[in-house]
Amino acid sequence: DAKTTQPPSMDCAEGRAANLPCNHSTISGNEYVYWYRQIHSQGPQYIIHGLKNNETNEMASLIITEDRKSSTLILPHATLRDTAVYYCIVRATYQTGANNLFFGTGTRLTVIP
Amino acid sequence: EPEVTQTPSHQVTQMGQEVILRCVPISNHLYFYWYRQILGQKVEFLVSFYNNEISEKSEIFDDQFSVERPDGSNFTLKIRSTKLEDSAMYFCASSKSTSTDTQYFGPGTRLTVL
Repeated sequence: DAKTTQPPSMDCAEGRAANLPCNHSTISGNEYVYWYRQIHSQGPQYIIHGLKNNETNEMASLIITEDRKSSTLILPHATLRDTAVYYCIVRATYQTGANNLFFGTGTRLTVIP
Repeated sequence: EPEVTQTPSHQVTQMGQEVILRCVPISNHLYFYWYRQILGQKVEFLVSFYNNEISEKSEIFDDQFSVERPDGSNFTLKIRSTKLEDSAMYFCASSKSTSTDTQYFGPGTRLTVL
């Protein structure tokens, strides 16, 4: 079963920041938060991940609350090419044999011109 | 930037036929995975592979499926006798040195079973 909850859809105006929320209230101390996106039917694309601290890379920023029960993915200046389904996934840091990523239904982000 | 590649991009087959889907993982990666996505549904894990053996598989990955790393670069998924319900996008992924490293996905193979 999914360990995360995301809104099914969001809209964002082109050029504005897109803030995608994710709830993971049952997250364990050894679990990372990963974000992937899937544009149309292409392969999932890795965006960013984090454990406790906020993270930033060339694609996005990840803000994790202090209690780690929720996080927000921020696309600072959304473009039309950012229209995709965004998946928030929690995943253990140690080798449990649970190697797989569990994809929920994600958030369908539509960037509007 | 290194990426996972998959061939073919689209495979059409008749029910009951065998298909082999091919993947070339990122060259220094040691863990390999197959996922599938039936049209309109979630991405589902099938199997993970490390050190020439399956390390984990899902309930979907039954005796009809097999995986192999026939040489130093390819990673294959074989479906022995395809069914209509095997029609889906199949994604290969790889990760670097542990099963908890970031997984990078290929573009997928669309399998259509008629």
